[in-house]
Amino acid sequence: SQTIHQWPATLVQPVGSPLSLECTVEGTSNPNLYWYRQAAGRGLQLLFYSVGIGQISSEVPQNLSASRPQDRQFILSSKKLLLSDSGFYLCAWSVQGRGYGYTFGSGTRLTVV
Amino acid sequence: AQSVAQPEDQVNVAEGNPLTVKCTYSVSGNPYLFWYVQYPNRGLQFLLKYITGDNLVKGSYGFEAEFNKSQTSFHLKKPSALVSDSALYFCAVRDSYSGAGSYQLTFGKGTKLSVIP
Repeated sequence: SQTIHQWPATLVQPVGSPLSLECTVEGTSNPNLYWYRQAAGRGLQLLFYSVGIGQISSEVPQNLSASRPQDRQFILSSKKLLLSDSGFYLCAWSVQGRGYGYTFGSGTRLTVV
Repeated sequence: AQSVAQPEDQVNVAEGNPLTVKCTYSVSGNPYLFWYVQYPNRGLQFLLKYITGDNLVKGSYGFEAEFNKSQTSFHLKKPSALVSDSALYFCAVRDSYSGAGSYQLTFGKGTKLSVIP
């Protein structure tokens, strides 16, 4: 069966420090991968999506970047965190095909102090 | 372009009463519709989906949703609410039309459901 792993669960980082959040998927090949941010427990903001290795699309210009070094690995990074980067970050994957929904990871709570 | 609206930020319902969480959508082709639930500090969990077929879709935890093409709605329902149903609910849509970005789900802003004991 397919599973998605996201870590860490919580993270407290000082302003100006780097960030690396990792997401991996097991049990499937060539998934679509997504990074979302959720502020204050409400709406989802799509940050990045990827349809293949090295293929990254950015939805919102910001202080963050994403990479997909392997088929089932998706990394969210920042060189210097801002206070406004605080939030709940969610990784998700889907099969390539419109009749399929997303499967989400458990999320990372990032607090920038 | 595809879009989805959840007109209520919050829905309050007494335990044991029926609940409805509303969702309307806009797509160019036929819609693929989804409902997700999120508990505090957790990822979203899939509840149910409509792709084609019967307009009444049954899902997890006793939830169901009714697809209404003429009203472009996909409301989530449950006959008898439980306190444990209290959570954030998201409706999502994907357009069957083969256009740029059509492989992406568009999510509503979420509706907070509170079931009062």
